[in-house]
Amino acid sequence: KAGVTQTPRYLIKTRGQQVTLSCSPISGHRSVSWYQQTPGQGLQFLFEYFSETQRNKGNFPGRFSGRQFSNSRSEMNVSTLELGDSALYLCASSLWGASEQYFGPGTRLTVT
Amino acid sequence: AQTVTQSQPEMSVQEAETVTLSCTYDTSENNYYLFWYKQPPSRQMILVIRQEAYKQQNATENRFSVNFQKAAKSFSLKISDSQLGDTAMYFCAFMKQALTSGTYKYIFGTGTRLKVLA
Repeated sequence: KAGVTQTPRYLIKTRGQQVTLSCSPISGHRSVSWYQQTPGQGLQFLFEYFSETQRNKGNFPGRFSGRQFSNSRSEMNVSTLELGDSALYLCASSLWGASEQYFGPGTRLTVT
Repeated sequence: AQTVTQSQPEMSVQEAETVTLSCTYDTSENNYYLFWYKQPPSRQMILVIRQEAYKQQNATENRFSVNFQKAAKSFSLKISDSQLGDTAMYFCAFMKQALTSGTYKYIFGTGTRLKVLA
């Protein structure tokens, strides 16, 4: 069974731009969660989607948004990028959200 | 609010020896889950071990075992017979699901970077 895939793997953007990251979960998994990983803060939970609905949300500004499609693929969008948004963005899928999570390789975003 | 604390930012251990990584958490909940995840350099994060809070028996997965002390809110990971491939960042995580709404909280610690020395 194929694992969680994320595209692109690396991204360089400038301040003020917007970016869209994509995540394809393991086949059959309906829950997709997004995390921001930085050296100082560790993993911070962004949000979780289940059956196309945002079910959980972390403490991030409204510039961070997401959506999930009927095939469970998910996208995360960050608008008006700031330098502090530079991080590794991880996506994780699971069967029902609170079960074991399987992580993708991440998208490393650099904002200059 | 729940918090997860990993007080050891970095650790090292000689190959074949045993090492213990510490994790403490703070919660008023009684039912929850605890996890240890491993993130090797430039590789994907994978689950190492999982513990349900209602189970008194400590979880074990091959060379990995936990010491779960519910009253003390402590959840340490012991790696026996350390191997070079165990070199990674290790994250402790807490998860609690609300049964009625299905919403849950998944909180990670800041990680411990473990280096296994040859």
